[in-house]
Amino acid sequence: ETGVTQTPRHLVMGMTNKKSLKCEQHLGHNAMYWYKQSAKKPLELMFVYSLEERVENNSVPSRFSPECPNSSHLFLHLHTLQPEDSALYLCASSQDSQGRYSPLHFGNGTRLTVT
Amino acid sequence: TQLLEQSPQFLSIQEGENLTVYCNSSSVFSSLQWYRQEPGEGPVLLVTVVTGGEVKKLKRLTFQFGDARKDSSLHITAAQPGDTGLYLCASSYSGAGSYQLTFGKGTKLSVIP
Repeated sequence: ETGVTQTPRHLVMGMTNKKSLKCEQHLGHNAMYWYKQSAKKPLELMFVYSLEERVENNSVPSRFSPECPNSSHLFLHLHTLQPEDSALYLCASSQDSQGRYSPLHFGNGTRLTVT
Repeated sequence: TQLLEQSPQFLSIQEGENLTVYCNSSSVFSSLQWYRQEPGEGPVLLVTVVTGGEVKKLKRLTFQFGDARKDSSLHITAAQPGDTGLYLCASSYSGAGSYQLTFGKGTKLSVIP
C-alpha cells in the first residue's frame, strides 16, 4: 500500500466521548501534519511533526492531542469536543519540514461530526 | 502569515469551455503550489511555481506565476467533467520551527457534461 492512509473515514462522537484518528504514511517521509478543513474556511494547520518531534502547534485547544510514535504514524486524540469541531481532518506528509518547496501528500481525511 | 485570496469562489461551466482561476496576495510569495481536491478525497499537488513570470503546463492546465510573485493563475482549456473539484493555492512561509503552507479558501469548479 502506498501513500497516506487515514482511519476512520467517518466518525460521529458525542461531546463526552474520547476517540482517536489514525494516519499512516508509506512514503518514507520525515514530516507529518494535521490539518482541519471546515466549510468556508481555508485549510488550517494544527500540528507539525518532524522526525517524531513536534515542531509546530498552532494554538490548538488542548482537547486535541497529537501523538507521533514513529515517522510513519500519526494520531490525533480527541476528548470533550465541541460541535464547532465538526470538520474534515486531513493528515499529510512531506519529505521534510524545512524545505519550502516540499509538497504535501494528503490522506483522504476523517469526516468528524460532534453531536 | 500570508493571506491568499482566491477567485472566483465558485465556478460552474459547460464541458468544453475554457476557464481561469486566480490566487493573489498582498505579500510576495517565496513559492506557490496548486492543489486539486476531488469530493471525498484529500488535496493532490498539481504544480509548484518558484520563479516570477514562470509558466508551467500540465496537459490542458496552464499555470502562471506573476512577475512580481504576488499572484498566480490557473487556466484550463476545454474543461472536462473530470476537472471538477476544489482548486487550492498554497504558499510557504517560515514558522517557528519549519516552513509551513498557507492555503487559500479555494475555487470550487463544477464542469457540467
